[in-house]
Amino acid sequence: GNSVTQMEGPVTLSEEAFLTINCTYTATGYPSLFWYVQYPGEGLQLLLKATKADDKGSNKGFEATYRKETTSFHLEKGSVQVSDSAVYFCALGRTGGGADGLTFGKGTHLIIQP
Amino acid sequence: DVKVTQSSRYLVKRTGEKVFLECVQDMDHENMFWYRQDPGLGLRLIYFSYDVKMKEKGDIPEGYSVSREKKERFSLILESASTNQTSMYLCASSLGPFTGEAFFGQGTRLTVV
Repeated sequence: GNSVTQMEGPVTLSEEAFLTINCTYTATGYPSLFWYVQYPGEGLQLLLKATKADDKGSNKGFEATYRKETTSFHLEKGSVQVSDSAVYFCALGRTGGGADGLTFGKGTHLIIQP
Repeated sequence: DVKVTQSSRYLVKRTGEKVFLECVQDMDHENMFWYRQDPGLGLRLIYFSYDVKMKEKGDIPEGYSVSREKKERFSLILESASTNQTSMYLCASSLGPFTGEAFFGQGTRLTVV
């Protein structure tokens, strides 16, 4: 079945550091891939997505590239801010079509220190 | 903006009680979902619905049921609450056919004592 593996947290960085959060997946077919972010006390929000191989999703300075050959979708940001502190979830869309939801990784808690 | 509203932020219920968690979305979305979020386990899909009166089991449906009598409302029901159902419950909706972009409510933190 489908699964998503992402690096365990918490990940603690200083402001302006470079960020990478690793995500790899197992899936049949060619799923769409997503990063969702959950700020403290809030629900999840879509951060970025990529729908096919070699696509790059980007938003708010974050980027991730859909790598079919390595089944990966790593999240990167060149210079993090304190306001980026949140839990980040990698997810893949189920390939069965229809409205059958997302498969999420366990989440990575990111802490940015001033 | 799409708004997904869950009726309670915090709930405390007793073991054996029947519990209703309500979710309403205001953007005429076809698809609605219930997830539970647990530390170290991420989000797991309980049930989803792609139309009024339609429902499909997700990965962990045991001990839960759902109801969708109107398009905007999707209810999660714990028939007889147990302590292992203490969790954060997240409702989401999306426009069909499903593209993966789901809009989430703020969550209901349920404690079963």
